[in-house]
Amino acid sequence: GESVGLHLPTLSVQEGDNSIINCAYSNSASDYFIWYKQESGKGPQFIIDIRSNMDKRQGQRVTVLLNKTVKHLSLQIAATQPGDSAVYFCAENNPSGTYKYIFGTGTRLKVLA
Amino acid sequence: ETGVTQSPTHLIKTRGQQVTLRCSSQSGHNTVSWYQQALGQGPQFIFQYYREEENGRGNFPPRFSGLQFPNYSSELNVNALELDDSALYLCASSLGQGTLNTEAFFGQGTRLTVV
Repeated sequence: GESVGLHLPTLSVQEGDNSIINCAYSNSASDYFIWYKQESGKGPQFIIDIRSNMDKRQGQRVTVLLNKTVKHLSLQIAATQPGDSAVYFCAENNPSGTYKYIFGTGTRLKVLA
Repeated sequence: ETGVTQSPTHLIKTRGQQVTLRCSSQSGHNTVSWYQQALGQGPQFIFQYYREEENGRGNFPPRFSGLQFPNYSSELNVNALELDDSALYLCASSLGQGTLNTEAFFGQGTRLTVV
């Protein structure tokens, strides 16, 4: 069935280190992916997106990598800061025509001082 | 801030009651999607509205219904509330529909508690 899953439910990193959050998706026809950050009590915040015709995209301190061969997506955060502590979701676009995003259960990132 | 606003922020309702949640989309955005997020889970798609018409629906019963207005704001209505309807309801706005995938921007959500 359709699903977007995450390998690690909780990730703890030292402040200043790089973080890597992974995501597996099941629909090989998905053509658009987004990473969202959600802080407690808030709605998901757009971080970065990538289309299926790309394998890497960089933003400010963040990089998204897409490996379509193994249906894997990752979010890399450079020099992780305390403000990065949140739950991170990857979402894939359902190309079936309903224009919905399919979210996984999320990975909690904890930044240790 | 995304420019997507939802009201109310918190709501407590009794089982069997009806509820209406509201969303104002980001300026210029003509598409609104609604999601339900249970505690500890990712958002689940309810439905989407594009230019005042429903444009896709997830696995939610008919007692979940919606509207989109000419100014692209939207309402989510839930009838005959059940305890399992307790969740954070998120509205997301985006521009366009169809094959052009664009990012969706979320509001802060409405926390609904059914007792």
